[in-house]
Amino acid sequence: DAGVIQSPRHEVTEMGQEVTLRCKPISGHDYLFWYRQTMMRGLELLIYFNNNVPIDDSGMPEDRFSAKMPNASFSTLKIQPSEPRDSAVYFCASRSGTVASTFGSGTRLTVV
Amino acid sequence: GQNIDQPTEMTATEGAIVQINCTYQTSGFNGLFWYQQHAGEAPTFLSYNVLDGLEEKGRFSSFLSRSKGYSYLLLKELQMKDSASYLCAVRLYSGAGSYQLTFGKGTKLSVIP
Repeated sequence: DAGVIQSPRHEVTEMGQEVTLRCKPISGHDYLFWYRQTMMRGLELLIYFNNNVPIDDSGMPEDRFSAKMPNASFSTLKIQPSEPRDSAVYFCASRSGTVASTFGSGTRLTVV
Repeated sequence: GQNIDQPTEMTATEGAIVQINCTYQTSGFNGLFWYQQHAGEAPTFLSYNVLDGLEEKGRFSSFLSRSKGYSYLLLKELQMKDSASYLCAVRLYSGAGSYQLTFGKGTKLSVIP
């Protein structure tokens, strides 16, 4: 298995632009998580899905952030409009049942 | 709310033993995980404790005391490649059969010759 695949690896965008991050979980995993990591706040859970259904989005910072999982093999995290304070590394992770989560390589987002 | 504390940084010598502590105050506790994260890379799973006691995996061991809200990760025979951040994470039961991980801010370990 290729693991959790995220794209792009790096994204630089101007303030106000829309940003879309993509994730392909490990096949057969029924949970998918989106995390954000910064030096100040560490690794924070934004939202997670179980069987493509959003379960808890209480970590999503504000209405500018949205996430979808249209099928078991694909999820997106969208920021519109983006702001400089959104600059961070965004990780996607997946797991099956109660075993440990596997993380993707992350997307480093810089908003200028 | 949930609170997970671990030291920000530690330094240890190659070949030595280092213990990284983690304390937590959470509700719905359902296990404690340790992840390793090298700079610029994704976190990778190291160990998991759900019951009190010590779990050993090669050079790495993890201990849990649920009554004290305390865990530690023990790294033996340190190697230069062990220089990384070590993340303590608590698994919380959020109802309806769902679990989620809440992470501490991580401990950056530097191994020196």
